[in-house]
Amino acid sequence: GNSVTQMEGPVTLSEEAFLTINCTYTATGYPSLFWYVQYPGEGLQLLLKATKADDKGSNKGFEATYRKETTSFHLEKGSVQVSDSAVYFCALRLPNDYKLSFGAGTTVTVRA
Amino acid sequence: DTAVSQTPKYLVTQMGNDKSIKCEQNLGHDTMYWYKQDSKKFLKIMFSYNNKELIINETVPNRFSPKSPDKAHLNLHINSLELGDSAVYFCASSRTSGAFYEQYFGPGTRLTVT
Repeated sequence: GNSVTQMEGPVTLSEEAFLTINCTYTATGYPSLFWYVQYPGEGLQLLLKATKADDKGSNKGFEATYRKETTSFHLEKGSVQVSDSAVYFCALRLPNDYKLSFGAGTTVTVRA
Repeated sequence: DTAVSQTPKYLVTQMGNDKSIKCEQNLGHDTMYWYKQDSKKFLKIMFSYNNKELIINETVPNRFSPKSPDKAHLNLHINSLELGDSAVYFCASSRTSGAFYEQYFGPGTRLTVT
């Protein structure tokens, strides 16, 4: 079946540190890949997305590249801020499928 | 100007009660979803409606019944609530056309069953 595996958290960083959250997937087809972010007490927001191999999604200083050969979509940010503290979810959706399959989420805490 | 709204935001109730959660979207989307997020933050799809037709019905107890009166609304009714139903329930919506099918989420309803 389809599944998404994220690195386990929690992750605690200092401001301006480099952040990487690993995400790998298993899919029977050619999925679209997403990163969603959930700030404390809020719903999920789409952070970035990619629909084909070698696509790079980027937003708010975050980047992720769709790597078909390694079935990965790792999230990176070069210099985190306290406001980046949140839970980050990697997700996939197959073509012509309505549902998103989510990873378990990674809690990130950034200290001043 | 809230895109996807849910009511109530918090719901505390006793075991055995029946409760409903409402969801509305003003984005003009034709597909809506219910997700359950457990205490470990794990998200799982429960139901999805497209143009008022049920298209996803995951392994969910029969006590849960979704209803979509129109494309902009999707409600979730839960009968005979159990302790294990305590979770945050998220509504989402999306367009079905287009490459990305981006889903927009509501703020969530935190259900606590005592």
